[in-house]
Amino acid sequence: EVRLVESGGGWVQPGRSLRLSCAASGFRFDDYAMHWVRQVPGKGLEWVSGISWNSGSVGYGGSVKGRFSISRDNAKDSLYLQMNDLRTEDTALYYCAKDRSKSVAGGKADFWGQGILVTVSS
Amino acid sequence: QSVLTQPPSVSGAPGQKVTISCAGSGSNIGAGYGVHWYQQLPGTAPKLLIYSDTNRPSGVPDRFSGSRSGASASLAITGLQAEDEADYYCQSYDNRLSSWVFGGGTKLTVL
Repeated sequence: EVRLVESGGGWVQPGRSLRLSCAASGFRFDDYAMHWVRQVPGKGLEWVSGISWNSGSVGYGGSVKGRFSISRDNAKDSLYLQMNDLRTEDTALYYCAKDRSKSVAGGKADFWGQGILVTVSS
Repeated sequence: QSVLTQPPSVSGAPGQKVTISCAGSGSNIGAGYGVHWYQQLPGTAPKLLIYSDTNRPSGVPDRFSGSRSGASASLAITGLQAEDEADYYCQSYDNRLSSWVFGGGTKLTVL
């Protein structure tokens, strides 16, 4: 059974940093691209970032480019999102999602974690 | 403002058919990138419903089907059931933005 468990969320002040983690199990982690997608409660989905199976290709949504950094550790079956210079508009539920393919472009998420809440507020 | 455009809401009676549209442009759906659909039930994570325009993952009922034409795509749900009441999102890739793009979501109400 595929499991994706996010951690590292919480409350943080604007301008500070936070690192999210996603522990994966139930599939061969290094065979698939992975993504972070966020959702403001009551609003729509927004793609945050994606990383290919071997970290050779990464991508970011326009609103986080230059502030967020995605990475993965295939030896630990883990995905990460380093979030710097956080803004109030980054407040959202952050989902870790597994792609059906190895690459970011053209991908689709076939399994999702339950999400972790990040609140940016003074 | 979402890159992919969906109607905010649709509704239908049990047993009826509804269609949800997803309009893109030449840098995403019109460029040939696949369209994928997600169902999000209240209080839960999204679930992949249709991938690469027309394909259903294992376990998804054949009441759900997808299609595409030019720079647009559609999700059809036949034999509506109360349990289909959810938010539905389309997603594709945009080569101008070099990013995934989502529609704004469509809330389906089963009357």
